[in-house]
Amino acid sequence: DTGVSQDPRHKITKRGQNVTFRCDPISEHNRLYWYRQTLGQGPEFLTYFQNEAQLEKSRLLSDRFSAERPKGSFSTLEIQRTEQGDSAMYLCASSNYGAIDTEAFFGQGTRLTVV
Amino acid sequence: AQTVTQSQPEMSVQEAETVTLSCTYDTSESNYYLFWYKQPPSRQMILVIRQEAYKQQNATENRFSVNFQKAAKSFSLKISDSQLGDTAMYFCAFMKPIQGAQKLVFGQGTRLTINP
Repeated sequence: DTGVSQDPRHKITKRGQNVTFRCDPISEHNRLYWYRQTLGQGPEFLTYFQNEAQLEKSRLLSDRFSAERPKGSFSTLEIQRTEQGDSAMYLCASSNYGAIDTEAFFGQGTRLTVV
Repeated sequence: AQTVTQSQPEMSVQEAETVTLSCTYDTSESNYYLFWYKQPPSRQMILVIRQEAYKQQNATENRFSVNFQKAAKSFSLKISDSQLGDTAMYFCAFMKPIQGAQKLVFGQGTRLTINP
C-alpha cells in the first residue's frame, strides 16, 4: 500500500499525559502536513514540512505541541500535558513539491480522546 | 485571512438524483485554488475536484462538476446521478499557492446522505 499511513488509529489518554502520533507519507512525497479536526468541523492546518524542515506553524500549535520529521520521511506529532480540549482527529497529509496544483493525500487520521 | 463557509450542515437525496452543495469563501487574493474533498465514514479524505481561480471554465470530473462564480466568491459542487457510495462528509477548501504548498483552509462540511 502506497498511501499515507497514521499510527495509532485511536488513542485514549488521561489528562496530563504525553502522547505521540506517527505519520508515514507516500514515499516520494517531500511535503508533509498536520491538520486537526474537531467533531463537526473541517480540518484546521497545524504545520507542514518540506523534507526535514518545518516551514510553517499555525497559532493553533501551542507550546505543548511539537512536530518533527527528522530524516525527511516519517513525522511525529507530540502533545505534552494533554488537555480535554486536545480531543480531536489528527490528520496527516503529504504532497510533492513542484507543480502548484499537486494534490494532497490524506491518511485516515489518529483519533485522540483525553479523559 | 481566508474563510470558507458551507451553509448546509446536512443534505439528503434519493439515489440517481442530482444534488448541489454550496460553498462561499472570502479572500482578497486574486490567484488561488478551490477544492472539494470527500470524507467517507471512517475513511480518509480524498480529492473530488479542483478549480484554479484564473480559469473561467468550470471543472468537471465525471459525475462531479462545479459552478465557480469568482465575483460572488461562490464555489458549489453538483453531483449528478448520485450513488450510494457518494454518502460522505464533503468539505470545500481554499488554497493560496505558496510555492505549491497544500496549506488548505476548510469549510465546516456538509454531511450528504444518498438514500436507496
